[in-house]
Amino acid sequence: QVQLQESGPGLVKPSETLSLTCTVSGGSISNYYWSWVRQPPGKGLEWIGYIHDSDTHYNPSLKSRVTISTDTSKNQFSLKMRSVTAADTALYYCAIEATRGWFDPWGQGTLVIVSS
Amino acid sequence: DIQLTQSPSFLSASLGDRVTITCRASQGISSYLAWYQQKLGKAPKLLIDAASTLQSGVPSRFSGSGSGTEFTLTISSLQPEDFATYYCQQFNSYPRTFGQGTKVEIK
Repeated sequence: QVQLQESGPGLVKPSETLSLTCTVSGGSISNYYWSWVRQPPGKGLEWIGYIHDSDTHYNPSLKSRVTISTDTSKNQFSLKMRSVTAADTALYYCAIEATRGWFDPWGQGTLVIVSS
Repeated sequence: DIQLTQSPSFLSASLGDRVTITCRASQGISSYLAWYQQKLGKAPKLLIDAASTLQSGVPSRFSGSGSGTEFTLTISSLQPEDFATYYCQQFNSYPRTFGQGTKVEIK
C-alpha cells in the first residue's frame, strides 16, 4: 500500500516561494499521477496539479505560479508556488490521482501559513 | 471549469436517519464522479468512485447513484462515525473540481 507524507515550512512570507515535498513509500515514483490538492482553513478542496513521468498538468487558476517536479532518487515529488499571498494559506495535501481520475490515497496534509 | 454544487451545505440528523446529499454538475459528466468523507483534522477518504462503486472497506450503508448532471450520496442509517464533511469530485475533465462540501452534524 502506497503511503504519502508531506513536509515543508509551515510559514512563508508574502511574495516568497512555497516549497513542499511529498515522500512516497511502498511504491515507485515512476508510476502513478502524483497530485497536489489544497484546502484553505474551513473551506473546500482545490486541485493544484499533477505530474506523471515528465508530463505536468496544472489548474489554470494557479498555472502561472506553480511547478510540480519529481526526484526519483529520493522517491519524492515536490510543489513550488511562487509569489504567495495570504490567499495561499491552506492545508496542502499530496495524493495519487488514479488512472480514472479520483484521488486515493492522500497524505495527512501540511498547513502552510502565509504571513509576514 | 465544471462547477459542482452540493446540497445541502449543512445537514443536522439523528443516529439511524437516512441521509441524502446531492451533487449537481454544471455540465454532463457521465458517471465520472467520486465521493469523499473528511473528518476534522484528517485527509479526505475516498468512499465511492464512478458515481456508484463502493470502495473496499466502506460500509454498505453508503451508496451512490446518478449520472449526467445529478448525483446522490446516501447513508441508509447514520452511525456515530459518519458525522463528517462529504465532498463530491468530478473527473470528467481538467481541472479536477470538488463540490463545496456538506457537513453532517448530530441533531
